[in-house]
Amino acid sequence: DTAVSQTPKYLVTQMGNDKSIKCEQNLGHDTMYWYKQDSKKFLKIMFSYNNKELIINETVPNRFSPKSPDKAHLNLHINSLELGDSAVYFCASSQDTSGIEQYFGPGTRLTVT
Amino acid sequence: AQSVAQPEDQVNVAEGNPLTVKCTYSVSGNPYLFWYVQYPNRGLQFLLKYITGDNLVKGSYGFEAEFNKSQTSFHLKKPSALVSDSALYFCAVRALTGGFKTIFGAGTRLFVKA
Repeated sequence: DTAVSQTPKYLVTQMGNDKSIKCEQNLGHDTMYWYKQDSKKFLKIMFSYNNKELIINETVPNRFSPKSPDKAHLNLHINSLELGDSAVYFCASSQDTSGIEQYFGPGTRLTVT
Repeated sequence: AQSVAQPEDQVNVAEGNPLTVKCTYSVSGNPYLFWYVQYPNRGLQFLLKYITGDNLVKGSYGFEAEFNKSQTSFHLKKPSALVSDSALYFCAVRALTGGFKTIFGAGTRLFVKA
């Protein structure tokens, strides 16, 4: 069983489009995260939810909007995609907000052309 | 503010030799410290953590790390490297107070040569 899953694995789209990435965890964790990894492999937190409540909202353009319908799911919607949004997006989860031992999904490679 | 530094972009080591991947941190108060590994085209995998207690912590795949409070370091070590250890290694820190954010270092690429 996959602990943290993301769909799609690859996403190629044109500038200006709107796209969503979905994430699900079956670990029973309360806290979920979205990270962005750029081409230099630098990993940066974007958002975090704890039991459906937003607890971290980094300096991310308003075009990015997370949604957590329940504590097992955290989706990321991106409006008006730009070239600079091209990156690998990772979802992760942890037992609680301590963030100890985060479990990462396989990543979604987003390419904006 | 929290920060993590991994001073080496790349570490090269021969198989069977000991390896060290360096990490220093800056955080207000006591830290949680972590090491993660990323294999190509995969998500990060947790290796080990320091929360409190013994300064030498042991983790997965024979890795260990030593917490040094005076030097604010948390270097990752392994006594005998394997070719399969070749990957990207991330150090991370979280302050016990002041928010829920884990900060990751820039990563160090480890090459183990047969």
